[in-house]
Amino acid sequence: DAGITQSPRHKVTETGTPVTLRCHQTENHRYMYWYRQDPGHGLRLIHYSYGVKDTDKGEVSDGYSVSRSKTEDFLLTLESATSSQTSVYFCAIRTAGGADTGELFFGEGSRLTVL
Amino acid sequence: DAKTTQPNSMESNEEEPVHLPCNHSTISGTDYIHWYRQLPSQGPEYVIHGLTSNVNNRMASLAIAEDRKSSTLILHRATLRDAAVYYCILRGYGGATNKLIFGTGTLLAVQP
Repeated sequence: DAGITQSPRHKVTETGTPVTLRCHQTENHRYMYWYRQDPGHGLRLIHYSYGVKDTDKGEVSDGYSVSRSKTEDFLLTLESATSSQTSVYFCAIRTAGGADTGELFFGEGSRLTVL
Repeated sequence: DAKTTQPNSMESNEEEPVHLPCNHSTISGTDYIHWYRQLPSQGPEYVIHGLTSNVNNRMASLAIAEDRKSSTLILHRATLRDAAVYYCILRGYGGATNKLIFGTGTLLAVQP
């Protein structure tokens, strides 16, 4: 257990509303990631962070923004949610097991439904 | 990022060995081979990784071809709890990103 908590775990919202998902870690790991998972697509990287205020885009970043103002929290924001953003969102952290290990620990996921 | 190719699904019987193949013909010399699995309704979990030599840990073994263009994850005795989607992923060494790009994986069904 790498001490990752995602919130909310489930959310239903309407098209056009803003949504923020929170990923919280308790162990001060540097690298944090947001993935989304959809049937037929596996996991796709949205954004990632390599330190406080250091973030970069992944494969499917359009429509998403992130912020990391402190080490323990990585926020994913949908400024104006669309139905295509209905998905399960996973946060992950990379433990300091060495540059070659790259072992990720994942949270339990946040299921978002946009109506 | 170099891509991997895995079968969409496989079946196994409980207590028998399982060999999950992965092709990665465009692998570069510094790419590590990682395997993760995802149990139903859970986030993915790390299984094993390697570079050139075969690797063993408590969960599985990883056999890497001599030319590194393919690898095989070996579960020595499948249990019902091993039913999951298994992902084979390549990751470059170092760099500022350290990101993992997942494919669609192999869905392993284990029959009692």
